[in-house]
Amino acid sequence: EAQVTQNPRYLITVTGKKLTVTCSQNMNHEYMSWYRQDPGLGLRQIYYSMNVEVTDKGDVPEGYKVSRKEKRNFPLILESPSPNQTSLYFCASLTTGQGGEAFFGQGTRLTVV
Amino acid sequence: SQKIEQNSEALNIQEGKTATLTCNYTNYSPAYLQWYRQDPGRGPVFLLLIRENEKEKRKERLKVTFDTTLKQSLFHITASQPADSATYLCALAATGGGADGLTFGKGTHLIIQP
Repeated sequence: EAQVTQNPRYLITVTGKKLTVTCSQNMNHEYMSWYRQDPGLGLRQIYYSMNVEVTDKGDVPEGYKVSRKEKRNFPLILESPSPNQTSLYFCASLTTGQGGEAFFGQGTRLTVV
Repeated sequence: SQKIEQNSEALNIQEGKTATLTCNYTNYSPAYLQWYRQDPGRGPVFLLLIRENEKEKRKERLKVTFDTTLKQSLFHITASQPADSATYLCALAATGGGADGLTFGKGTHLIIQP
């Protein structure tokens, strides 16, 4: 079954404590992306990766890092989380060349206190 | 600046009627437009894609139109059911096969009342 798997689903952390949200896809997609979703602001792209070792900033990259060492994994790293990063995060894996249909993970609800 | 607009107010429709949702965009030349469904707390799920050279696309009870002159897409659900209640997002990709990924509208919350 085609899947994008994020972990953890829920996370409460304190300001400044580094955390990583993992994302893995089993569809051999080259393109992966991270979004955050906030009430009234919709889905906003944080970072994307067009292939292994190729990453680029989206619309709201400040405070986040990503890496793409292998095709299936695309972790999101918050080196020093702050309360304004409290949000619902989604990882997505996209087909390319045929319209870029996005497959989303189940989401990670992050609270930074 | 580029903008994608969807009706931010909830849309209430009686069961059995056709629901029509609107997506307007400005300062954008999308190669294709997509529609997604999102249930509370869950990731969006792909529904339909329509390309810039297509006027209309259908899938079961769903129909999408794409007017690049008006810069607008309409999303229709015919014979609506309470289970169709969800937030519907439109998403655009620029020409070039989506190299920059998808940009999403904020979504319209659809409520189908029995």
